[in-house]
Amino acid sequence: DSGVTQTPKHLITATGQRVTLRCSPRSGDLSVYWYQQSLDQGLQFLIQYYNGEERAKGNILERFSAQQFPDLHSELNLSSLELGDSALYFCASSPGAGWGSYEQYFGPGTRLTVT
Amino acid sequence: TQLLEQSPQFLSIQEGENLTVYCNSSSVFSSLQWYRQEPGEGPVLLVTVVTGGEVKKLKRLTFQFGDARKDSSLHITAAQPGDTGLYLCAGARSSGTYKYIFGTGTRLKVLA
Repeated sequence: DSGVTQTPKHLITATGQRVTLRCSPRSGDLSVYWYQQSLDQGLQFLIQYYNGEERAKGNILERFSAQQFPDLHSELNLSSLELGDSALYFCASSPGAGWGSYEQYFGPGTRLTVT
Repeated sequence: TQLLEQSPQFLSIQEGENLTVYCNSSSVFSSLQWYRQEPGEGPVLLVTVVTGGEVKKLKRLTFQFGDARKDSSLHITAAQPGDTGLYLCAGARSSGTYKYIFGTGTRLKVLA
C-alpha cells in the first residue's frame, strides 16, 4: 500500500460524457502527478501540481483538466470522452516538486472504460 | 512521440539466467528512473540515477546511466520468478514539451 488513494477503482461511461477522477496523496506529500496508461501509448505523464499550483504539463489533451485543492487532494476531469480515452489513470504523489529528486508513490489507478 | 525506447519489448527466461534491459534516447535527461509494475498495480520505483556513468546496485539488480545521460541499462543477475513484471524507465528533461517521459516498457517473465 503506497498511501495514495484513488477513486473510483473502475468507471464505465459512454462517449461524450464527462467524468471526474479523484486522488488523495500520501500524508505530507505536496506534489500530485497524473498519468495515463494505455496499451498502445504506454505510460504518459499528463500534469503535475505542487501545493495547489500547476507545476508541469505533459501530454494532456485540452478536453482534460485537473486541479489540486487546499487539502492537497486532486481531481482529474475528463470531458467529451472518446473511445480512445479508455485507459488506466494513475495518480502519484511525492514530498517535493522536483520530479527526479523525490520518489513518487503511485496509487492503484482508476480503470476508465468508454463505450 | 516516443522519446525513450526500451529493448527488448518482451523477455521470457528461465530462473537463474541473467538479462539486460536497455533504455535508449536521443535526448539528454537530467535524471532517469527505473520502475517495476505488476498487473493491476501502479509502478514502484527501483532506482534513480542522475550522474552520467553512474552505476547503482540493488541486490541482484545493477543500473547504469550512460555517460552522455541519453541511455540506461538494467541488468538482473540470476533472475527469479519474483522478478516477473513490467519494467519501465523514465526520464526527466529540463526543457521541452515532453518533460517527464516513460519508456515503452519491457515485459519480463521468469519461469521457475
